[in-house]
Amino acid sequence: GAGVSQSPRYKVAKRGQDVALRCDPISGHVSLFWYQQALGQGPEFLTYFQNEAQLDKSGLPSDRFFAERPEGSVSTLKIQRTQQEDSAVYLCASSLSIAGGSYNEQFFGPGTRLTVL
Amino acid sequence: KNEVEQSPQNLTAQEGEFITINCSYSVGISALHWLQQHPGGGIVSLFMLSSGKKKHGRLIATINIQEKHSSLHITASHPRDSAVYICAVSNFGNEKLTFGTGTRLTIIP
Repeated sequence: GAGVSQSPRYKVAKRGQDVALRCDPISGHVSLFWYQQALGQGPEFLTYFQNEAQLDKSGLPSDRFFAERPEGSVSTLKIQRTQQEDSAVYLCASSLSIAGGSYNEQFFGPGTRLTVL
Repeated sequence: KNEVEQSPQNLTAQEGEFITINCSYSVGISALHWLQQHPGGGIVSLFMLSSGKKKHGRLIATINIQEKHSSLHITASHPRDSAVYICAVSNFGNEKLTFGTGTRLTIIP
């Protein structure tokens, strides 16, 4: 595919249920980011990978949130024991990360809209 | 105080009007990004700039590093420009983006 893809696009979970959200970055992109966007708000940073290494997870709101990228390509964001406040759109972005600098354009996926009942 | 603030939060204009959206930030940055988000859609990067001015079609982005301020301009606005426009910054040594809350733009035919 030409762009970043995410699945599922929509997820409804009952409170307490575990969910797993998938991100397929653009092939060859080194950096991968997860962001959380609450309704009517701008996105907020969750975590960042460079290849398979999780370099920054400072934005994960609690230890119920866990992300992995075991082979440096596809990433999964897992939320355990979901709560209503976890309802949001979860955005994935990837960048080529030339020279590891901060001047790299990020390409966003369509997001996964999570609703926790 | 948020690191990135945008104004206005909402903007409604007639087709053809010149549009300006403002972004102010409070920290040192390496780059500022302007992004577009359509309802129910993903985010598209419009500009990434660290100084001066960039132009793409009817869109113009400027940044003043000393004043920590950027503007996004749309000339000859069209209803298809209706979207949320988001300003975001990246800091030195870190690629993660810090976002503003966005400006919802509605262009009326």
